[in-house]
Amino acid sequence: KAGVTQTPRYLIKTRGQQVTLSCSPISGHRSVSWYQQTPGQGLQFLFEYFSETQRNKGNFPGRFSGRQFSNSRSEMNVSTLELGDSALYLCASSLLSATYGYTFGSGTRLTVV
Amino acid sequence: QKEVEQDPGPLSVPEGAIVSLNCTYSNSAFQYFMWYRQYSRKGPELLMYTYSSGNKEDGRFTAQVDKSSKYISLFIRDSQPSDSATYLCAMSGISNTGNQFYFGTGTSLTVIP
Repeated sequence: KAGVTQTPRYLIKTRGQQVTLSCSPISGHRSVSWYQQTPGQGLQFLFEYFSETQRNKGNFPGRFSGRQFSNSRSEMNVSTLELGDSALYLCASSLLSATYGYTFGSGTRLTVV
Repeated sequence: QKEVEQDPGPLSVPEGAIVSLNCTYSNSAFQYFMWYRQYSRKGPELLMYTYSSGNKEDGRFTAQVDKSSKYISLFIRDSQPSDSATYLCAMSGISNTGNQFYFGTGTSLTVIP
């Protein structure tokens, strides 16, 4: 079966712009989580969506937002981009909760210049 | 203090060696422990899952959890060049922001043929 699909794979944006990243979870998975991965901080939890509702949220500023659609696909938006937002953004899906682990996508590499 | 601490390495071993990877954590509420493997330009993939304390073996891989010491380990026997990757520990329990996973920053492993 198809894995977690993230688009685009690479993105270059300018400071101050906004960006939208997309994630299609594994078919049947209802939970979608987003992580930011940087060399110094590792993976940091952004938020989790389940059945179109944000179920959990990490400690990121309000510039980071997300949503989930009725087909479980999810989008993540970052407004007013800063240089420090350059990172690999990973989407992970799980059936109901992540208790037994996630399946990750390959990520979107965002570079802010 | 970070919730999860992991030695970043890098770790370089000859083929066939036994590899030991470790993480420590501070939150005694953590009950679910996982190890992920991440190849370059890919998302993490779940390698091992353990609930509470104890050992779990899967082929060449053994995961150990010592909750009394807040210490988890992953052992790789007969290491192969294909094991060269970054290994991430992850754990979850109830925290002040609900049930979410906390990741170590990863240990980079190279197995030399």
